[in-house]
Amino acid sequence: EDQVTQSPEALRLQEGESSSLNCSYTVSGLRGLFWYRQDPGKGPEFLFTLYSAGEEKEKERLKATLTKKESFLHITAPKPEDSATYLCAVGGSNDYKLSFGAGTTVTVRA
Amino acid sequence: EPEVTQTPSHQVTQMGQEVILRCVPISNHLYFYWYRQILGQKVEFLVSFYNNEISEKSEIFDDQFSVERPDGSNFTLKIRSTKLEDSAMYFCASRQGYGYTFGSGTRLTVV
Repeated sequence: EDQVTQSPEALRLQEGESSSLNCSYTVSGLRGLFWYRQDPGKGPEFLFTLYSAGEEKEKERLKATLTKKESFLHITAPKPEDSATYLCAVGGSNDYKLSFGAGTTVTVRA
Repeated sequence: EPEVTQTPSHQVTQMGQEVILRCVPISNHLYFYWYRQILGQKVEFLVSFYNNEISEKSEIFDDQFSVERPDGSNFTLKIRSTKLEDSAMYFCASRQGYGYTFGSGTRLTVV
């Protein structure tokens, strides 16, 4: 069974204080590793898909990287509007269903 | 940007009643999914649907649940006899290739 573990559970940052979120995974036949942002009471909002080890993607202050066992989401110089729960999910070989981690809740203080 | 639309945004129902949650996937997507998220817990896969049939379902998706694509645009999740533990956010998603898009969800509260 596919498994995804995210750490830390919660992260409190000062505005401008860069940090990284970790997602470790085990999956049979990785078809993609997904990062989503989720605001309270909302659906997951797509950020990135990574497909193979060594791949990196960037969007504004966010950068996602992938190895064979884990992925990192780096937040550079965060702003209060980056406060959200960040979800990691893997798509395995079975019809691309996603297995999610529990998320990391990031709070950025001004 | 194309969206997955879910209605209603919030539904309150009595235990034992039937509910239907509705979704309009992105128009050119061929794969459809339902996920749920109990408050404070992980997002969990329920069912995937392709070519007018279920392609995979989780152990959560028992005989009380069913899905349907009644026309070319809607995708529904029916819970026949709701239980208190069915209270959760239910998310519809659709996919084409590697693009996987979620709706904003329906908050189902069973009382």
